[in-house]
Amino acid sequence: AQSVSQHNHHVILSEAASLELGCNYSYGGTVNLFWYVQYPGQHLQLLLKYFSGDPLVKGIKGFEAEFIKSKFSFNLRKPSVQWSDTAEYFCAVRGTYKYIFGTGTRLKVLA
Amino acid sequence: EPEVTQTPSHQVTQMGQEVILRCVPISNHLYFYWYRQILGQKVEFLVSFYNNEISEKSEIFDDQFSVERPDGSNFTLKIRSTKLEDSAMYFCASASGARSYEQYFGPGTRLTVT
Repeated sequence: AQSVSQHNHHVILSEAASLELGCNYSYGGTVNLFWYVQYPGQHLQLLLKYFSGDPLVKGIKGFEAEFIKSKFSFNLRKPSVQWSDTAEYFCAVRGTYKYIFGTGTRLKVLA
Repeated sequence: EPEVTQTPSHQVTQMGQEVILRCVPISNHLYFYWYRQILGQKVEFLVSFYNNEISEKSEIFDDQFSVERPDGSNFTLKIRSTKLEDSAMYFCASASGARSYEQYFGPGTRLTVT
């Protein structure tokens, strides 16, 4: 069955700390992977996506993610978080038509 | 940059009433989707729509739900008789193709059923 697992449900970091959010997927077809961010009260915003090619993907706001096929993983990273990164982060994999989302990770960055 | 728009941004309705949520996808897109997010939970797929018919739907999308593309620009989600548990944020998305094409999400409609 197609699924996405995000291991960290809540993460609290201080400003300037490094961030890594885990995402593992289960999908048998061609993999398209995404990370979305949802700021409080706002809609989903695409951070980055992987379709093919370089497995290290750079996105907006200094985020990057690495696709590791052998581990079925697509972890999100940022070297130094800011208070404004406080939000919920969703990993998603594309099925035939639909996106399958993980349960999300709530990140709180302390100033 | 083209974007998906949704109206209204917030809809309050009484249990048992019908609601129609509206979406205007990006103009040259051919694939349309509805997702929902119950407060505090993950985003869940409801339905995909292509060539004037449903291409895939989830278990959530029961007989109370329907979708329509009434004209060349709008894409609607109708809930015939709303229940309390239908309270959620509903996101519309569109894409120019099926596989390997990014879906663009709208800002969402918050539906509150009282």
